[in-house]
Amino acid sequence: QQKVQQSPESLIVPEGAMTSLNCTFSDSASQYFAWYRQHSGKAPKALMSIFSNGEKEEGRFTIHLNKASLHFSLHIRDSQPSDSALYLCAVSLLPGTGSNRLTFGKGTKFSLIP
Amino acid sequence: NSKVIQTPRYLVKGQGQKAKMRCIPEKGHPVVFWYQQNKNNEFKFLINFQNQEVLQQIDMTEKRFSAECPSNSPCSLEIQSSEAGDSALYLCASSRLGVYAEQFFGPGTRLTVL
Repeated sequence: QQKVQQSPESLIVPEGAMTSLNCTFSDSASQYFAWYRQHSGKAPKALMSIFSNGEKEEGRFTIHLNKASLHFSLHIRDSQPSDSALYLCAVSLLPGTGSNRLTFGKGTKFSLIP
Repeated sequence: NSKVIQTPRYLVKGQGQKAKMRCIPEKGHPVVFWYQQNKNNEFKFLINFQNQEVLQQIDMTEKRFSAECPSNSPCSLEIQSSEAGDSALYLCASSRLGVYAEQFFGPGTRLTVL
């Protein structure tokens, strides 16, 4: 059964900082990798996804995947107050056909120093 | 913004009572998922549908949990005899079919079993 683990559990950074969130998975057959963000009391919302080794950048966010290491990460630069949220990594075995379920990590609580 | 609608937002039940929650997926999304997010932010996949047909479900779902997605009506998830351990946020997500289809989540129904 797929195991997905995230680190760190929580992260507090100053505004404007660059930071990284990590996710490891156990099933080497995994093909779809995503980061979701969940603000308190709100629905999780997909932030970025990736399907092949390498990295993808969208604005202040970069996702990096290394399938051989069973690891992917989310890098956030120029952290903003609106980034404070629970960040969840998610993995599925099928390439996002829409019918396959996601396995989530337990999340990283990310917040900015007030 | 996601247009997945979940009702009610909050549900309080006594142990042994039935608990029923509903979900209206985004228009044009034939695939619906139900996940359970507990107080430790652990997600558990429960069941998913393509149109009215069950695609996948876990063993727990087969016993006290029942779900359906009738045509022209909201999808629903019902717990036949609630237990304290069922207290959680129940999230509904929908997606299109096709490779790399993103899952869009609703805000969830928070169930508290006293």
